[in-house]
Amino acid sequence: EVQLLESGGDLVQPGGSLRLSCAASGFTFSNNGMSWVRQAPGKGLEWVSSITGSGDGTYYADSVKGRFTISRDNSKNRLYLQMNSLRAEDTAVYYCTGGAEYWWGQGTLVTVSS
Amino acid sequence: DVVMTQSPLSLPVTLGQPASISCRSGQSLVHTDGNTYLSWFQQRPGQSPRRLIYKVSNRDSGVPDRFSGSGSGTDFTLKISRVEAEDVGVYYCMQGSHWPPKTFGQGTKVDIK
Repeated sequence: EVQLLESGGDLVQPGGSLRLSCAASGFTFSNNGMSWVRQAPGKGLEWVSSITGSGDGTYYADSVKGRFTISRDNSKNRLYLQMNSLRAEDTAVYYCTGGAEYWWGQGTLVTVSS
Repeated sequence: DVVMTQSPLSLPVTLGQPASISCRSGQSLVHTDGNTYLSWFQQRPGQSPRRLIYKVSNRDSGVPDRFSGSGSGTDFTLKISRVEAEDVGVYYCMQGSHWPPKTFGQGTKVDIK
């Protein structure tokens, strides 16, 4: 059974940093591209970032480019999202997804507020 | 960026009756490899999204056959042949043909009349 388990969400002040983690199991992690998708409170889904299976290709939404960094550790079956210079508009539930958005985690809440 | 436009945004339905959601893209979603990467997702209240349909019309494992996807080019449709109570939620289309970025529609809220 495939499982994606996010962690790291928290309340952080504007301008602060946070690192999200996603622990994957039940599939060959290194063979799959992975993504982060977020959902602001009461709003729709927004693609944030993706990374290839090997980690050599990374892609970002314009809204986070230069502030967020996606990475992975295939030896640990983990996906990461380093979030810097956080803004109020980054407040959202962040979902880890894989398999071309076939698999989804339960999400982790990031709140940016003073 | 490819803009995805769904309609309607709210869809009250009667149990046992059909329902249909439209999704239109700002440009053709035919990829250079010949595939069309248009997916549909269901998000029940309080849950994570779940993919229902991929590449326009392919149902994911475990998805009831009352759900079907169709369309081509820029016009796509998700149909529920007979709505059940468990189908209540928000439905999103998403394109993966021309990315980055992958783009979602605004969502269509389905509830029971």
